[in-house]
Amino acid sequence: DVVMTQSPLSLPVTLGQPASISCRSSQSLVHSDGNTYMNWIQQRPGHSPRRLIYKVSSRDSGVPDRFSGSGSGTDFTLKISRVEAEDVGVYFCMQATHWPWTFGQGTKVEIK
Amino acid sequence: EVQLVESGGGLVQPGGSLRLSCVGSGFTFGNYWMSWVRQAPGKGLERVANIKTDGGEQYYVGSVRGRFTISRDNAKNSLYLQMNSLRDEDTAVYYCKTAVRQLPFDYWGQGTPVIVSS
Repeated sequence: DVVMTQSPLSLPVTLGQPASISCRSSQSLVHSDGNTYMNWIQQRPGHSPRRLIYKVSSRDSGVPDRFSGSGSGTDFTLKISRVEAEDVGVYFCMQATHWPWTFGQGTKVEIK
Repeated sequence: EVQLVESGGGLVQPGGSLRLSCVGSGFTFGNYWMSWVRQAPGKGLERVANIKTDGGEQYYVGSVRGRFTISRDNAKNSLYLQMNSLRDEDTAVYYCKTAVRQLPFDYWGQGTPVIVSS
């Protein structure tokens, strides 16, 4: 199975400041169809998870543009340009290129 | 509004069985791959199974293969997970979700808890 390794696992941030989470996969996430199925999932406290980013950098409907994804191959990044209070929660990277689709361990984002 | 509503979770003894259901509304259910994803208490997420639009293909994570069966009834806008030979480590909240890789169409249910304990 593809192992997804996130860093950091805990991220204290200041409101209004940027934040960045990294994710590395144990093998390339480039699919045979040419797409890279790298996703970012947000889980706010007490809520169901929600996908923010799919195919490395495409935002899901209703996702604020302060969230952006980048990367290629095996190295990917989620950036929040200016952290807001509602961004507190756990963020997971997830690959959907190789079955079984696998998740990272999660990065807990909290306000300093 | 797209909605996914799970049911069927509960307390079951090791070795027992449980059947989870998920009803979708607000979208053309039969047009989309669907998944079950679980989250053990205080832990991360694990994809359990995927099923193709017509039910003709199913994929399972290794830890549940041979014990769990994913199925769907598009006429009833419903997704199912039959869980047999349950183990302590199957204890988790089980989420029903769409499984669309290429489009901005990703929806999760509220989750249903499964507790395997004697």
